[in-house]
Amino acid sequence: EPEVTQTPSHQVTQMGQEVILRCVPISNHLYFYWYRQILGQKVEFLVSFYNNEISEKSEIFDDQFSVERPDGSNFTLKIRSTKLEDSAMYFCASSEWVANNEQFFGPGTRLTVL
Amino acid sequence: DAKTTQPTSMDCAEGRAANLPCNHSTISGNEYVYWYRQIHSQGPQYIIHGLKNNETNEMASLIITEDRKSSTLILPHATLRDTAVYYCIVRVAGGGSQGNLIFGKGTKLSVKP
Repeated sequence: EPEVTQTPSHQVTQMGQEVILRCVPISNHLYFYWYRQILGQKVEFLVSFYNNEISEKSEIFDDQFSVERPDGSNFTLKIRSTKLEDSAMYFCASSEWVANNEQFFGPGTRLTVL
Repeated sequence: DAKTTQPTSMDCAEGRAANLPCNHSTISGNEYVYWYRQIHSQGPQYIIHGLKNNETNEMASLIITEDRKSSTLILPHATLRDTAVYYCIVRVAGGGSQGNLIFGKGTKLSVKP
């Protein structure tokens, strides 16, 4: 069964450093998403992406964040200058189209900012 | 904020049916009810969704009341692997919506031997 994959599974970085989290969505999907979950808290929407541009973003997704689909398979989330409060699980998701909302989530990347 | 209300936690005996309730009294006519679950820090997993009719798939059944103000997710024969946080999410499907899911705190279901 096709699945969303994410790398790395765990990323440790120093405050102020840039990190890039990578995702490979399911191949025939057209809509891509990033969510995050701070330990013990709710899953929060960050951004959605379609047709090579951002469709929607939350208040969390400020200028420190960016997303890109650099080739036909990868979907990346970049945090330019990490802060301690960016420590969280970051989940990538994809869906075939937006209408059905059956989103398939990856296993997540645990980001730890020291 | 999430537009649904769910109990914080529930227990269920292994092999028995787990019935997870959700209140969504402000649901609009074009909003669907979606259920996802999250098994211990894994990515959320889609379970089922419906508009007004009851739905069933290989994982679960979804019962939506006639007035659509509440619903129940039924896991017919719960196993230990069904221990997870279950999220009930209400949102529009299609019609120009952008697709993001708004998660609440969900119900932590503990399936016990």
